[in-house]
Amino acid sequence: AQSVAQPEDQVNVAEGNPLTVKCTYSVSGNPYLFWYVQYPNRGLQFLLKYITGDNLVKGSYGFEAEFNKSQTSFHLKKPSALVSDSALYFCAVRADLLMFSGGYNKLIFGAGTRLAVHP
Amino acid sequence: ETGVTQTPRHLVMGMTNKKSLKCEQHLGHNAMYWYKQSAKKPLELMFVYNFKEQTENNSVPSRFSPECPNSSHLFLHLHTLQPEDSALYLCASSQALRGSYEQYFGPGTRLTVT
Repeated sequence: AQSVAQPEDQVNVAEGNPLTVKCTYSVSGNPYLFWYVQYPNRGLQFLLKYITGDNLVKGSYGFEAEFNKSQTSFHLKKPSALVSDSALYFCAVRADLLMFSGGYNKLIFGAGTRLAVHP
Repeated sequence: ETGVTQTPRHLVMGMTNKKSLKCEQHLGHNAMYWYKQSAKKPLELMFVYNFKEQTENNSVPSRFSPECPNSSHLFLHLHTLQPEDSALYLCASSQALRGSYEQYFGPGTRLTVT
């Protein structure tokens, strides 16, 4: 089955400390992976993606994510957290085209992880 | 910001009202999506239109009626809603199968059903 798991409902980090938001996935074939951020009363905002190539992907606002095929993980990281990073973060994977042939890029989202960065 | 706009941003409606949500994308995409986001629940994909054709309807009640007149516009017509339909309704768009793969979201419409 295709799925995305975000094992932590909430992550608390002190400002200036490194942060990690975890994501694991299950999909047949090569995974196409995404991270989104949602600020209060806003839509989801695309942060970064992994399609192929380097396992470390850099995105917006200083975020990066590390693709680990053997652990089927795609954790979001930032070396130094800001209070303004506090938001809801979603991991997503593109539905396996072998199992889904709708002709568009269907994404399967995780349940989201709330990141709280404390001053 | 992202090239996807939604109106209205906030909507309060009674259970007997009829209203419509509008989404417009300026990104040249061919696929458009409606999602429902309720508190403490995963994001729910409601409908998908690909090249103006509805390709997915995830068992959404008939009181929600989508319309896609062209690849840039998407509507969600609402009638006789229930209080549990109160949620943030998000529109998104993406290129067709090949392309940049990610979906771009609008700011959402916060719907309250009284």
